[in-house]
Amino acid sequence: GEDVEQSLFLSVREGDSSVINCTYTDSSSTYLYWYKQEPGAGLQLLTYIFSNMDMKQDQRLTVLLNKKDKHLSLRIADTQTGDSAIYFCAETPNFGNEKLTFGTGTRLTIIP
Amino acid sequence: DTAVSQTPKYLVTQMGNDKSIKCEQNLGHDTMYWYKQDSKKFLKIMFSYNNKELIINETVPNRFSPKSPDKAHLNLHINSLELGDSAVYFCASTPQSRDRRYGYTFGSGTRLTVV
Repeated sequence: GEDVEQSLFLSVREGDSSVINCTYTDSSSTYLYWYKQEPGAGLQLLTYIFSNMDMKQDQRLTVLLNKKDKHLSLRIADTQTGDSAIYFCAETPNFGNEKLTFGTGTRLTIIP
Repeated sequence: DTAVSQTPKYLVTQMGNDKSIKCEQNLGHDTMYWYKQDSKKFLKIMFSYNNKELIINETVPNRFSPKSPDKAHLNLHINSLELGDSAVYFCASTPQSRDRRYGYTFGSGTRLTVV
């Protein structure tokens, strides 16, 4: 079955860049997403990348996809205290009714 | 104008009780899901319905029974609640189209505590 792994914790100084990594096993992954979950809140879609793309940039967010190694990363530039949250990568293998499989989540802590 | 709304937001109940969580989406999506987030924040799919038809049923105890009266609603009924059922339950929806750029839209979650 599908397996999506992330490091559980990351601490970064305010103003530095944060890089959150994700590896997945399903070679048929079509869309890959990054979701943000703030304490006590739901899941907010941050960005997505389609499997035929290598990189996507959206303001402070940069997503890199290495399809050969099945590795996805999210870079947050100029990390702020408001970026403190749990970040989940997720993948869906196909169109239609396929389920979204989540990674284990990375808790990002910002050091003042 | 919440896109995916769940009720209740919080639910505290005793072991052995039966409870329901409701979910409604006003996005016109065709597929709805229930996810469970445990105390370690792991998110796992439980069920998926497409146009009122059950299409995904992961390894979930029979005490959990989803019901979809129409494609805009997906409810979750839990019988004989156990301590291990304590979690946050998220409802989600997605269109049945090939464009998945906007991902899956999630509700704000229902925090279930069984005492």
